[in-house]
Amino acid sequence: AQKVTQAQTEISVVEKEDVTLDCVYETRDTTYYLFWYKQPPSGELVFLIRRNSFDEQNEISGRYSWNFQKSTSSFNFTITASQVVDSAVYFCALDNNDYKLSFGAGTTVTVRA
Amino acid sequence: EAQVTQNPRYLITVTGKKLTVTCSQNMNHEYMSWYRQDPGLGLRQIYYSMNVEVTDKGDVPEGYKVSRKEKRNFPLILESPSPNQTSLYFCASSLRGVHDVQYFGPGTRLTVT
Repeated sequence: AQKVTQAQTEISVVEKEDVTLDCVYETRDTTYYLFWYKQPPSGELVFLIRRNSFDEQNEISGRYSWNFQKSTSSFNFTITASQVVDSAVYFCALDNNDYKLSFGAGTTVTVRA
Repeated sequence: EAQVTQNPRYLITVTGKKLTVTCSQNMNHEYMSWYRQDPGLGLRQIYYSMNVEVTDKGDVPEGYKVSRKEKRNFPLILESPSPNQTSLYFCASSLRGVHDVQYFGPGTRLTVT
């Protein structure tokens, strides 16, 4: 059963618009880790951020920010002032202590110039 | 350079012809895993290995085999490939486990006719 849901299949924006990617997860554990990975058109998978379940402090890193809310089981990701280079598929992933990593289906972001 | 390598990068084969996709990492990582990526399904874990000689099934292990005889290598074996195994395959490694950042190989595009 899929444990990570990325409801948005595709998002298309014009450069400089903000983009928020939704991620909802399901777990029974109290200790777990959440991740975001990026897959640009070249195909490689690039790590963006990791959060553990005890760290609900939201973070901003340059144009990227993350909003982790345990109460709603969500781990959303925002790109501020998007650029064409942000065009990629973004994956949310969950590790819940069963030695396996569950990925969402991914959200394709297209940023138009 | 720290990296995960996969070979071949592209492979077209016929149904039933055994094949092996190699994966090697030079980071002395203990944890290694294989994923397949299919449109609309994200990445799904095939097999993982916690350390040498320790392997276990992921979410979609049917039709695949793996071995971990050395720490650095984790080959994926398709004994009798079928068209439904046409996919993009990624090998990944991490320091100790799935809660650590995963480093992905460049991917192998497999087509089974």
